Amino acid sequence: DGGITQSPKYLFRKEGQNVTLSCEQNLNHDAMYWYRQDPGQGLRLIYYSQIVNDFQKGDIAEGYSVSREKKESFPLTVTSAQKNPTAFYLCASSIVSNEQYFGPGTRLTVT
Amino acid sequence: GEDVEQSLFLSVREGDSSVINCTYTDSSSTYLYWYKQEPGAGLQLLTYIFSNMDMKQDQRLTVLLNKKDKHLSLRIADTQTGDSAIYFCALGAAGNKLTFGGGTRVLVKP
Repeated sequence: DGGITQSPKYLFRKEGQNVTLSCEQNLNHDAMYWYRQDPGQGLRLIYYSQIVNDFQKGDIAEGYSVSREKKESFPLTVTSAQKNPTAFYLCASSIVSNEQYFGPGTRLTVT
Repeated sequence: GEDVEQSLFLSVREGDSSVINCTYTDSSSTYLYWYKQEPGAGLQLLTYIFSNMDMKQDQRLTVLLNKKDKHLSLRIADTQTGDSAIYFCALGAAGNKLTFGGGTRVLVKP
């Protein structure tokens, strides 16, 4: 089955620790995206990548980092510098225009 | 930048039609999308419309675009309990990015 996988579904960390969220796609899509969703709110773009080995900051990149070493993978690291990291994180990918397909999301809780 | 607004909540009776509205400020988007999000899940692409179209119908879904008023709507005919979810409109922007509205929570009552 083609699709986007995110793991794990739930993630718990202590404050001050970095944590990496996984996103993998087998759709052969060139572009990948990371969004953050807070309760009752829309999606905000963290980082995006249109091609391997290249990525750009979105609207709320501070405290996050990404890499794009392979077309299929776009991991997101939430660093200790992110002041309010508890949120629902969504990964997406696209091939043409803007039509994006989303993974199931990872809920990160930092205490 | 683009500003996309949606009403927060819509309650509808099962079997009735639902209309979810979206207004935006920037008219340069080529594609306009509707996504559905069920609790604790990712977003599911429902349908989209090209900016040079006024209407698109896809089974129970009808998308209307009024470019003059910068207004996009999604009509769901014969709304079912499984349609209860959050619905997001999204506008295509430069660099393959999307700008999302805040989402409309639809509650379908039996």
